[in-house]
Amino acid sequence: AQSVTQLDSHVSVSEGTPVLLRCNYSSSYSPSLFWYVQHPNKGLQLLLKYTSAATLVKGINGFEAEFKKSETSFHLTKPSAHMSDAAEYFCVVSDLWGKLQFGAGTQVVVTP
Amino acid sequence: SQTIHQWPATLVQPVGSPLSLECTVEGTSNPNLYWYRQAAGRGLQLLFYSVGIGQISSEVPQNLSASRPQDRQFILSSKKLLLSDSGFYLCAARGGPTGTYNEQFFGPGTRLTVL
Repeated sequence: AQSVTQLDSHVSVSEGTPVLLRCNYSSSYSPSLFWYVQHPNKGLQLLLKYTSAATLVKGINGFEAEFKKSETSFHLTKPSAHMSDAAEYFCVVSDLWGKLQFGAGTQVVVTP
Repeated sequence: SQTIHQWPATLVQPVGSPLSLECTVEGTSNPNLYWYRQAAGRGLQLLFYSVGIGQISSEVPQNLSASRPQDRQFILSSKKLLLSDSGFYLCAARGGPTGTYNEQFFGPGTRLTVL
């Protein structure tokens, strides 16, 4: 069985400051992990994925995430937030058959 | 890359009416297909997935059904809608063979309101 816990339901940051979205996972085998972003009333867009290659994964729009097996974490970061980063972010774990387990989501608010 | 089309984009239906949401996929063959529902303020819940034509697996018991009449067509249906069926419905596709960690691509979604 596998599960994902997003530790923050809401994160508020000022434009130009770093963003940190925390995610912990539980999996009985080596997982595949993803971060998706959802803007209001839109579908989900893949930011990045980890599939047992490099532990530091770079994604689109300046986001990156680091897989830490010892901490069972896959936190998402961005050095400098932009207004367009305001959205909901989902940490996701996948099994080999492609069935995804979603975290509850983190709503990001960016203030000027 | 894959492109997922969903329609309609928004739908308002009375309780007890039927439902048909359609999803089509471009850019891949023999994809795994998925229907998710996202209720207000909640995460995504997997409703159905399909690994091939006519093959449907249901994840949760509910008022809905799914069908896959063609390789790249996935339909979500209901005979009688309930208020609790309101939500944002997302179709997703995953290419590549089982055992590969390919990401899922999502459609733009359908906003369903049952009154």
